[in-house]
Amino acid sequence: QVTLRESGPALVKPTQTLTLTCTFSGFSLSTSGMCVSWVRQPPGKALEWLALIDWDDDKYYSTSLKTRLTISKDTSKNQVVLTMTNMDPVDTATYYCARTNIVGAYFDYWGQGTLVTVSS
Amino acid sequence: DIQMTQSPSSLSASVGDRVTITCQASQDISNYLNWYQQKPGKAPKLLIYDASNLETGVPSRFSGSGSGTDFTFTISSLQPEDIATYYCQQYDNLLEEITFGPGTKVDIK
Repeated sequence: QVTLRESGPALVKPTQTLTLTCTFSGFSLSTSGMCVSWVRQPPGKALEWLALIDWDDDKYYSTSLKTRLTISKDTSKNQVVLTMTNMDPVDTATYYCARTNIVGAYFDYWGQGTLVTVSS
Repeated sequence: DIQMTQSPSSLSASVGDRVTITCQASQDISNYLNWYQQKPGKAPKLLIYDASNLETGVPSRFSGSGSGTDFTFTISSLQPEDIATYYCQQYDNLLEEITFGPGTKVDIK
């Protein structure tokens, strides 16, 4: 069965770089059409898509955050890593990784999410 | 940028009621529209993809319709377990933009 799990620090300081890892099983990111995305949700607010990486190592980023984001994959480890630079308190959110279908860009399996708080 | 609006922002209905949520895009997005359910403290769950296709395993009381700029999500008979926030999500076929709507919170009256 498909599972995804996010890991990373629960607390980061302003201006620091956040690194989150998504470890997944039940599918391969080397399979044509497979992608993994990152989505975040500030407390009490709506979902926001951040980035997507596909089986061919093509990368797509939110226009508003692209200068701060880097997404990468390690297919052998079944992992996708997201880095976000220059963290600010407004970046406090639950960060989710989700398997994404390239045809339809829908998120069909999600991790449980990890809450990241940005505070000094 | 494509802007997504949802209405209402919240609603309260009785068990068995028909519930309708609308999602409007600021420009034509064809049928590139998906719907999710999110219960408190949980990750979102895909319900409908490509505007009207029911995800496997999702109860048939959920449905979606629409194309272009106007979309509708319907729960034909509201159940207690449907209490959640519902989000629409659009994408462009170049994956340059993926956007969620602001959400609609559904409660039981």
